[in-house]
Amino acid sequence: DGGITQSPKYLFRKEGQNVTLSCEQNLNHDAMYWYRQDPGQGLRLIYYSQIVNDFQKGDIAEGYSVSREKKESFPLTVTSAQKNPTAFYLCASKPGVGGSEAFFGQGTRLTVV
Amino acid sequence: KQEVTQIPAALSVPEGENLVLNCSFTDSAIYNLQWFRQDPGKGLTSLLLIQSSQREQTSGRLNASLDKSSGRSTLYIAASQPGDSATYLCAVNTSGTYKYIFGTGTRLKVLA
Repeated sequence: DGGITQSPKYLFRKEGQNVTLSCEQNLNHDAMYWYRQDPGQGLRLIYYSQIVNDFQKGDIAEGYSVSREKKESFPLTVTSAQKNPTAFYLCASKPGVGGSEAFFGQGTRLTVV
Repeated sequence: KQEVTQIPAALSVPEGENLVLNCSFTDSAIYNLQWFRQDPGKGLTSLLLIQSSQREQTSGRLNASLDKSSGRSTLYIAASQPGDSATYLCAVNTSGTYKYIFGTGTRLKVLA
């Protein structure tokens, strides 16, 4: 089955630690995205990537880093510089620019303990 | 900068009622607009995708319209059911970018 897989589903981080969230897709999509969702709010764009080895900052990139070494993978690292990392993180992909449909993973809930 | 607004923020209706959710955006230069459903603690499920050249799309009891010139889209749900209870989000893909910008969503509760 084609789709987007995010792991883990739940993640706990101690203050001062870096953690990496995984996002893998087997849809052969060029573009991938990371969004953050806080309770009762919409989605805010963290980073996006149009092609392998290229990525762009979204609206709230501070404290986060990404890599795109493979077409199917777009991991997100939440660094210790992110002051309020507790949130629900969603990964998405779409075939490319233009009128194509975006597909989402099931999300990772990150909690700082 | 593209901004997307959804009204109302929350809605509670009795089962069987027809309802309309609204989405407005500030930059009409878009590739498409997509409506999603989100159940609590879950990811997003795509409901309808409307290309910039289209006026509406239908899927079952759902109908989405797009008026690009006025920066508005509506999602019409016919004969609502308790299973429709969820948060509904719209997102626009602005022309010339890969960015999808989301509204804050409408929380719908359909009462049995």
